[in-house]
Amino acid sequence: QSALTQPASVSGSPGQSITISCTGTSSDVGGYNYVSWYQQHPGKAPKLMIYEVSNRPSGVSNRFSGSKSGNTASLTISGLQAEDEADYYCSSYTSSSTLLYVFGTGTKVTVL
Amino acid sequence: EVQLVESGGGLVQPGGSLRLSCAASGFTFSSYSMNWVRQAPGKGLEWVSYISSSSSTIYYADSVKGRFTISRDNAKNSLYLQMNSLRAEDTAVYYCARDYGDYSPPGYWGQGTLVTVSS
Repeated sequence: QSALTQPASVSGSPGQSITISCTGTSSDVGGYNYVSWYQQHPGKAPKLMIYEVSNRPSGVSNRFSGSKSGNTASLTISGLQAEDEADYYCSSYTSSSTLLYVFGTGTKVTVL
Repeated sequence: EVQLVESGGGLVQPGGSLRLSCAASGFTFSSYSMNWVRQAPGKGLEWVSYISSSSSTIYYADSVKGRFTISRDNAKNSLYLQMNSLRAEDTAVYYCARDYGDYSPPGYWGQGTLVTVSS
């Protein structure tokens, strides 16, 4: 079972929108609506931003949105702000016999 | 407010053992499944182990199966990870993390504890 595939880096200017992709297989992303997204600032613990593909936990800005098509999930950040600069990881439940949850490779978001 | 506080990390020699603890508060610990997730220095997140609320269901990643043991004490609101036969590649920050819902990846995370395996 390999990690879910994310782009290594994505950048955008303040106010712009960016989208991060997360590609898996029919055994994880494509097979279940249990995809989560996390934001991680340096030296900090991951913070849940999206759960079950498109739901935002209480307190998370509505500038963050999630979606899924086939084996690929996506996180969109609209109205990019300086504090959005961080690493982002996706994760999915998986039916793999060797894992319960699989994480993405991670994407570094840079605000130009 | 959900709080998860890990402890027990440190420097250990290859082949050694370490026991991590996680103290939970702010929620009914006995009602939630728990996980350990690790992150090697400069690397991504890796799920390590899962335990259901009643300890009846336990899963491990292949990378730690047979060496690590997850357990919990609902009376003490505590989660544990016993790590034996440690290897250099086990060096990582270990996070205690609570499930967000059935089948949903972890939603609440502790601050992590660093485990360094080195001679």
